[in-house]
Amino acid sequence: DGGITQSPKYLFRKEGQNVTLSCEQNLNHDAMYWYRQDPGQGLRLIYYSQIVNDFQKGDIAEGYSVSREKKESFPLTVTSAQKNPTAFYLCASSIRTGGLSGELFFGEGSRLTVL
Amino acid sequence: AQRVTQPEKLLSVFKGAPVELKCNYSYSGSPELFWYVQYSRQRLQLLLRHISRESIKGFTADLNKGETSFHLKKPFAQEEDSAMYYCALSGQAGTALIFGKGTTLSVSS
Repeated sequence: DGGITQSPKYLFRKEGQNVTLSCEQNLNHDAMYWYRQDPGQGLRLIYYSQIVNDFQKGDIAEGYSVSREKKESFPLTVTSAQKNPTAFYLCASSIRTGGLSGELFFGEGSRLTVL
Repeated sequence: AQRVTQPEKLLSVFKGAPVELKCNYSYSGSPELFWYVQYSRQRLQLLLRHISRESIKGFTADLNKGETSFHLKKPFAQEEDSAMYYCALSGQAGTALIFGKGTTLSVSS
C-alpha cells in the first residue's frame, strides 16, 4: 500500500527532552517536507529536502533538525530549543519541488504534546 | 516575497447555497496554484490545481493574474463539503509549497 507513514500518531514529551518523529514514504519521491499545523496559523514549513543528503530550512526551522540519509526516510527531531513544540506535525512528499510538482502527498500527522 | 492569503477563517453556508472561498497570492513570477482539502479525520489531500482547469466534486477555481487571486467556487454546497480548505502556491523549482492559513467551510442543512 503506497503512501506516507508517520509515527507515532501521538507523543508526549517532558520539557527539556528531544523527540524524533518518523516519516517514511514508498512513493519513490525525491522531495520530502515537514510542516507544522496550528489552529489559525495554517501550515508552516519547517524543513524540506529535494534529494538524499540535502535539506533546506523553511520559515520556522529554529529548534528543529532533520536528516535525509535515505530516499524513503525524513525524520524530524524536535529539540529542547523549540520554545513552543506542542503542535500537529505533517510530513509530505512530492516527485520534486517547485512548479507543477506542487502536488504533495501527506501523512496522517503526529500530534506532539509537551507536558 | 511569496505569500498566500486566505482572508476568511470560517465560512458558514446553508446546503444548496453558493460557496466562494477566497485566495490571494503574492509572487513575482508565474506561480502554480493549488487547493488542498482536509476532511475530518482524513489526510490533507489535493483538491484541484489551476493548470488542470477541471471541476472536482463540483468545485472550480480560476486563476486571475490581474487580481492575483485563485478563488474556489461551488454553485451548490453540500454537507459533505464541510472541511478545512487551504490555498497553496508553488514557485520555481527548488522551492517548497507555500500554504495560506486555511478556511473552514461549514455547510449546514
